[in-house]
Amino acid sequence: DAKTTQPPSMDCAEGRAANLPCNHSTISGNEYVYWYRQIHSQGPQYIIHGLKNNETNEMASLIITEDRKSSTLILPHATLRDTAVYYCIVRVGWGGKLIFGQGTELSVKP
Amino acid sequence: GAGVSQSPSNKVTEKGKDVELRCDPISGHTALYWYRQRLGQGLEFLIYFQGNSAPDKSGLPSDRFSAERTGESVSTLTIQRTQQEDSAVYLCASSPMGRTDNSPLHFGNGTRLTVT
Repeated sequence: DAKTTQPPSMDCAEGRAANLPCNHSTISGNEYVYWYRQIHSQGPQYIIHGLKNNETNEMASLIITEDRKSSTLILPHATLRDTAVYYCIVRVGWGGKLIFGQGTELSVKP
Repeated sequence: GAGVSQSPSNKVTEKGKDVELRCDPISGHTALYWYRQRLGQGLEFLIYFQGNSAPDKSGLPSDRFSAERTGESVSTLTIQRTQQEDSAVYLCASSPMGRTDNSPLHFGNGTRLTVT
């Protein structure tokens, strides 16, 4: 299973873009990159996923490098409600479980 | 539509008692997952169902833990002879498992189990 590496914590000013990095240097060709976040006392919330092309939805953008060894989740205008633990996960095959690491604790400050 | 529903939201039990935790997945979702999250820790995978079968039980920590799923819908996680180290939030997730293999998982808000 491909492993991911994320910084343990990051700060971001409210209204600014939050750029959360993730390294997944051992990712294989058919593995997707998923991002989830977990706000205190809630279940993880799905944000976005991608294979090799950049993806954008109403929550965030996902930028995957050409060699697919790393990716960045971008929250374009962070708010205080975006304070959460963000998990970058590589999916393990068909119907595979998601293996959660320790994630990045993002603190959005006024 | 309705999301993943888990019940009860909180459960306090005495050491040695059995508990049952329930998960109602999103309607039509064929894949169902159970995870455990101890206080201040990450999520630990427990078991995965495809339909009513469990092809991956690799995360169940001991034979005190079991799970079943019926009607490709509701799932029950049972913990027998509970121990204090079983105290955690137990999270359930489901996914559509359509023709593509990249369906995201959708999580419930969990059952907080406290063993006294």
